[in-house]
Order: sequence, then C-alpha cells, then structure tokens
Amino acid sequence: NAGVTQTPKFQVLKTGQSMTLQCAQDMNHEYMSWYRQDPGMGLRLIHYSVGAGITDQGEVPNGYNVSRSTTEDFPLRLLSAAPSQTSVYFCASSSPGHVWGEQYFGPGTRLTVT
Amino acid sequence: AQSVAQPEDQVNVAEGNPLTVKCTYSVSGNPYLFWYVQYPNRGLQFLLKYITGDNLVKGSYGFEAEFNKSQTSFHLKKPSALVSDSALYFCAVRDPDTGFQKLVFGTGTRLLVSP
Repeated sequence: NAGVTQTPKFQVLKTGQSMTLQCAQDMNHEYMSWYRQDPGMGLRLIHYSVGAGITDQGEVPNGYNVSRSTTEDFPLRLLSAAPSQTSVYFCASSSPGHVWGEQYFGPGTRLTVT
Repeated sequence: AQSVAQPEDQVNVAEGNPLTVKCTYSVSGNPYLFWYVQYPNRGLQFLLKYITGDNLVKGSYGFEAEFNKSQTSFHLKKPSALVSDSALYFCAVRDPDTGFQKLVFGTGTRLLVSP
C-alpha cells in the first residue's frame, strides 16, 4: 500500500492564482482531513470528510474548498491564493475503527504564495 | 474548548540519557490523548495514545507516556534516547464528547539528541 499520497510536493503561486492540492489514499479509509502546519501553531484543521459526498469545515476553512466524489480522493482547492496561505499542507485519513484519533498522514505539500 | 500545551519549543538530550517531552491538556470531560512524531520533510506518524485504563501507555520505537489526571499532563518519555529520535513531537487531545475530527494539536516540541 502506498498509504496517503499528496501532490505536488512543492508549489509556488502568485497572489490571486488558484490551484488544487491532490490527496489520495489506498487504505479504503472513510475519513479524510486537510490540515495546515505553520511555525509555532501546530496543525490546524481546514476541512474534513466522513465519506464520499460528505464534507465539513474545520477550524480554518476560509479560502479553501473541498469535495469528496470518491473514497480515495480528497482534493483541496485554493480559490484565490493569498500570502497568508503560505504553509505546509497535510492530508490525513483514518477508518471508523480508528475513531479515537489515530490518523495516517501524507508527506505534505509546501506552498508558497508570493 | 479543548486545548493542549507543549511548554518547551526544544528539548536537548545526550544519546543514552532519558528524555521527557512535556504536554498538558484541557478538556471538559475525560480526554483521549495522543503523541505524533514528525521527521524532517515527512508527515506525522502516530506514536501512542491514551484512551482509558493504565496510566502508562507504551508506543512505537520504545516511547511511552504517562497520563496524570490530577496534573492534566501526558508527558512523553523514553529511558534511553537515540540520535535517530531527533524530530518534532506533537501532543494532541480529543474531547470524546466531540466528533472524531476535533483533534487539537499542540505547537510541537523539537527534540535534539546529541551523540
């Protein structure tokens, strides 16, 4: 199993540009999440999904959209990039058997917005 | 609201010495507590968790953590540090009365183990 994969690994955007961060998992996990990691702030939840067709907002959803058309994929869309969105983005997945909080993380996407 | 604090930005320890990475938490009910580790340029990896039961929980790579309800702490420990333990460590807490995704992370503690 590849686990949780994310593409791209690095991305530089100009302010106002849009892009999609890709996330896929091959563990048949129902639950998927997007976090951003900023220095001194830990990880903050952006959006999450408890199954195909179901998404909800996390702690910091503004400026981001998500969709979940399949169990495997959970893309994160930046609608109009801003310098404040410069961060490292992590996708995570878990199964109902892991509802206690044990999640599997992808390797991350480092995004810079200039 | 639930929260977790990691009071040390960095912990330095010599190889072979015991290590402790501190974590305190705040939740309204009985907490679910977790430790994750992040190696350079990698995603987070689950280390261990406390849900209920024995206050001393054992996890991966020889790590263990002690749950102390009276002090609202969940410190990560290892009897003998290795240079390869050098990484960023995150404590996380979940209030069992909230949804599973309401996992709140601390700000992280960087562990540096010197040879």
